[in-house]
Amino acid sequence: GAGVSQSPSNKVTEKGKDVELRCDPISGHTALYWYRQSLGQGLEFLIYFQGNSAPDKSGLPSDRFSAERTGGSVSTLTIQRTQQEDSAVYLCASSLGPASGGAYTQYFGPGTRLTVL
Amino acid sequence: DQQVKQNSPSLSVQEGRISILNCDYTNSMFDYFLWYKKYPAEGPTFLISISSIKDKNEDGRFTVFLNKSAKHLSLHIVPSQPGDSAVYFCAAILGTSGSRLTFGEGTQLTVNP
Repeated sequence: GAGVSQSPSNKVTEKGKDVELRCDPISGHTALYWYRQSLGQGLEFLIYFQGNSAPDKSGLPSDRFSAERTGGSVSTLTIQRTQQEDSAVYLCASSLGPASGGAYTQYFGPGTRLTVL
Repeated sequence: DQQVKQNSPSLSVQEGRISILNCDYTNSMFDYFLWYKKYPAEGPTFLISISSIKDKNEDGRFTVFLNKSAKHLSLHIVPSQPGDSAVYFCAAILGTSGSRLTFGEGTQLTVNP
């Protein structure tokens, strides 16, 4: 597809379970980002990948959160031992990356709505 | 520390009139600013951007103005259409990191027919 895709679109889980969220960036985009939007809150940065490396993971809220990116493409965000405060919409974005002459525009996927019961 | 602020949570305008959405920032090192539109249950959609070396960028009905001395930017939509009703987010990026977007809280725009 032409845009960023994310799966699943909705995920309901029980407190304490692990979840994996997937992001497929736009083809050719070397930079990939994860954000989240909790209810009534703004968009909060989580982690940034350039290729398969994560030079900025400072937004991850706890060590229960981790992410990886393989082949410079698909990324997975994993939340272990989910808590109710993890409930949010998790958004993935991609861009051509800072090496591409300043093409900073990030394009977002539709998000995964995570509900932790 | 909210580095990007949108002080108006909502704005209501009549169809055909101008919508002006405002954004203030505190970090003078930001060098690129973007506006996104978000409908419910969808991801943000990129609208328009501006480099810090410019003071205006125009794309169709959308114009973004940047006042660096005041650390203020605004998005003008003329003429406003009912389909423009959405949440608008202002975002900023540090060129040195080329990484995260720092977002404002968003402004809900409602365009009444």
